[in-house]
Amino acid sequence: SQTIHQWPATLVQPVGSPLSLECTVEGTSNPNLYWYRQAAGRGLQLLFYSVGIGQISSEVPQNLSASRPQDRQFILSSKKLLLSDSGFYLCAGRANYGYTFGSGTRLTVV
Amino acid sequence: AQSVTQLGSHVSVSEGALVLLRCNYSSSVPPYLFWYVQYPNQGLQLLLKYTSAATLVKGINGFEAEFKKSETSFHLTKPSAHMSDAAEYFCAVSGGGGSQGNLIFGKGTKLSVKP
Repeated sequence: SQTIHQWPATLVQPVGSPLSLECTVEGTSNPNLYWYRQAAGRGLQLLFYSVGIGQISSEVPQNLSASRPQDRQFILSSKKLLLSDSGFYLCAGRANYGYTFGSGTRLTVV
Repeated sequence: AQSVTQLGSHVSVSEGALVLLRCNYSSSVPPYLFWYVQYPNQGLQLLLKYTSAATLVKGINGFEAEFKKSETSFHLTKPSAHMSDAAEYFCAVSGGGGSQGNLIFGKGTKLSVKP
């Protein structure tokens, strides 16, 4: 079965600093991968998805970017964080209509 | 385009009472539907999913949901609430086309269980 590993669990970063969140997948190959952001009272917003190495699609224009350097690795980045980037970030993987989520990263930008 | 509407951002029930969380969807193609549960500061855990087989779907922890095409609904129920059911619940529909089958979520319903 598919397992999503995400780290770190919590992160406090100053405004203007860079960001790198990593997600790795175990148990499947060539999964579709997704980054979601969850803000209080707003549900889950899809940020990026990837169907393969180097293939990234953005759902919402913003201060963030994503990369997929390896089949089972998905990275969320920012060059300069904004206060509005605070939130709970979730990585998910899809294989055979099964969707698995990581445990999330709580990002606070101060 | 596909969408999900969860009626009620907060639901409160007494321990032992029926839990009913409402979800309506919009989809131009036969949908795949999901219910997830989230405990504070944790990821999402799949409760159950509908993938065009039986319309009554049984999930984990005593939850079940019924797919009603005529009502475009997929409500989540549990006959008797337990304190450990207190969490946030998300209904989702599997999209298609340009978003490569990503999940489209409702805004969530927070369930409180009173002793």
